[in-house]
Amino acid sequence: GQNIDQPTEMTATEGAIVQINCTYQTSGFNGLFWYQQHAGEAPTFLSYNVLDGLEEKGRFSSFLSRSKGYSYLLLKELQMKDSASYLCAVVDSNYQLIWGAGTKLIIKP
Amino acid sequence: ETGVTQTPRHLVMGMTNKKSLKCEQHLGHNAMYWYKQSAKKPLELMFVYSLEERVENNSVPSRFSPECPNSSHLFLHLHTLQPEDSALYLCASSQDLEGGSNQPQHFGDGTRLSIL
Repeated sequence: GQNIDQPTEMTATEGAIVQINCTYQTSGFNGLFWYQQHAGEAPTFLSYNVLDGLEEKGRFSSFLSRSKGYSYLLLKELQMKDSASYLCAVVDSNYQLIWGAGTKLIIKP
Repeated sequence: ETGVTQTPRHLVMGMTNKKSLKCEQHLGHNAMYWYKQSAKKPLELMFVYSLEERVENNSVPSRFSPECPNSSHLFLHLHTLQPEDSALYLCASSQDLEGGSNQPQHFGDGTRLSIL
């Protein structure tokens, strides 16, 4: 079967750095997405990785290792507004999106 | 503002009622999706439409009936739902069919559905 694993919940401090991991076992791989979802709102696109390495976009960075079936989302200089759920999704060989259950990130002052 | 609008935002209905969820996208996209989101579970893809043609139905019970009259509008008709159908229903759109490239899906804020 296909599977995406993410921690259910994480807590971090304002101004700090947090890394949210995502591991996957899918039939094929055609890219990995990260989305942010605030409570009661739409998931919004953060990043897309298809090649190994780190993609940096402001305070957020996303890393991919295809050989390890592993990605992480790195959030720097955390702000209270970063409190949200972060969803990892993998595009499999049939170009279907396989979703993780999401990681709820709680930021404390 | 994501360019995808869903109405209503909240819906409470009895098991014998009939209601419809509406989704409209203003992005000029060709593909539209219905998802079910339950607490602490992955998004469940329900239906996919590409250029107004249904291309996927992920073993969804017949009490859920989608309709796509044009590429900008998507409906989900509901009848005789069960308590386990209570969830957040998300609509999304993408330029073309899902995952074909690095095209992200754009989501609406969802309809929070509660079945009494």
